[in-house]
Amino acid sequence: NAGVTQTPKFQVLKTGQSMTLQCAQDMNHEYMSWYRQDPGMGLRLIHYSVGAGITDQGEVPNGYNVSRSTTEDFPLRLLSAAPSQTSVYFCASSRLGGPGYTFGSGTRLTVV
Amino acid sequence: DQQVKQNSPSLSVQEGRISILNCDYTNSMFDYFLWYKKYPAEGPTFLISISSIKDKNEDGRFTVFLNKSAKHLSLHIVPSQPGDSAVYFCAANSGGYQKVTFGTGTKLQVIP
Repeated sequence: NAGVTQTPKFQVLKTGQSMTLQCAQDMNHEYMSWYRQDPGMGLRLIHYSVGAGITDQGEVPNGYNVSRSTTEDFPLRLLSAAPSQTSVYFCASSRLGGPGYTFGSGTRLTVV
Repeated sequence: DQQVKQNSPSLSVQEGRISILNCDYTNSMFDYFLWYKKYPAEGPTFLISISSIKDKNEDGRFTVFLNKSAKHLSLHIVPSQPGDSAVYFCAANSGGYQKVTFGTGTKLQVIP
């Protein structure tokens, strides 16, 4: 099993550009989420989904969109990139009953 | 408002000794707590969890203790090994796996 696959691993964007971070899992997990990790801030929840067609906002949703059209995929869209969105982004999935997330290896995004 | 706090950014321990990582929380609605380990350039990996109905959970060298009255939990690693050197995140949630809140992490260094 591949687990949780994130692409790309690295990305540099110019301010104002848009892009989509891809996340796919092959474990048939119902729950998927996106986190960002910043120095001194830990992991902060951006958006999450409890199943296909169902998404909700986390702690820091502004500037990001998500959709969940299939169980496997949960892409994160940056609408108009800003330097404040420079971060490492992690996608995670789990069964609704837990016990814990399986994380992808992350996407390091730099916005210049 | 940091609901999950890890007040020690770093910790150094000699190989073979006990490592104790601490975590405090402020939200009394949290009923499930988890610890994750993260190596550089990798996603976090689930380590151990505890429900609020318990005060201790063990898994091999790892034990998590929960003190609900003090809103405090700790992770004990005995004996510590150099491979345990990583960043450890404490996390908590209430009523299911949505909106898991992470702490800022503690970097553990186990010295051979």
